[in-house]
Amino acid sequence: ILNVEQSPQSLHVQEGDSTNFTCSFPSSNFYALHWYRWETAKSPEALFVMTLNGDEKKKGRISATLNTKEGYSYLYIKGSQPEDSATYLCAFNTDKLIFGTGTRLQVFP
Amino acid sequence: DAGITQSPRHKVTETGTPVTLRCHQTENHRYMYWYRQDPGHGLRLIHYSYGVKDTDKGEVSDGYSVSRSKTEDFLLTLESATSSQTSVYFCATGEGTDTQYFGPGTRLTVL
Repeated sequence: ILNVEQSPQSLHVQEGDSTNFTCSFPSSNFYALHWYRWETAKSPEALFVMTLNGDEKKKGRISATLNTKEGYSYLYIKGSQPEDSATYLCAFNTDKLIFGTGTRLQVFP
Repeated sequence: DAGITQSPRHKVTETGTPVTLRCHQTENHRYMYWYRQDPGHGLRLIHYSYGVKDTDKGEVSDGYSVSRSKTEDFLLTLESATSSQTSVYFCATGEGTDTQYFGPGTRLTVL
């Protein structure tokens, strides 16, 4: 069974703080790694799809890096805002997506 | 926005009754998926479809069946609902292994 792990499970930060969290995945048979943002009472929305070792993606204040050889990806949020509060999911791509359990981020004003 | 709707959005039913959830998409995506979301488990794949009449099992398929008679609709059926199937169900669509687009979810309670 393929395992995708995310840490930490939850994170509380102050507005303006920068933060990061980790997604660990199997390093063999890698195809792609997805990041999703999931706000409470909404549905998951895609942030990034990453395919190449060393890939870096950026969308506004959110960025992600990928290391396929060691099987991890980092998601960074610079200058967190209350509207960044959400659960951030990563998913490992085989012929289907295997989701981690997410990191729940709460940003306090 | 991939134009994915789910119906019903909320349902309360009793143990032993059949339940069908519907997912409808307007994007002509080939792949459609049904997930369930439970605390501590994230999203787990129930079944998926890779074309009309082509379906396969996911991680937690026991007690569920699916059908896809046309591209835009993917039905999830609980033949005899149990309390362990109380969950939030999400449909998603996509093209193969690319980004998946999620519907708004259906909250199902089995009493």
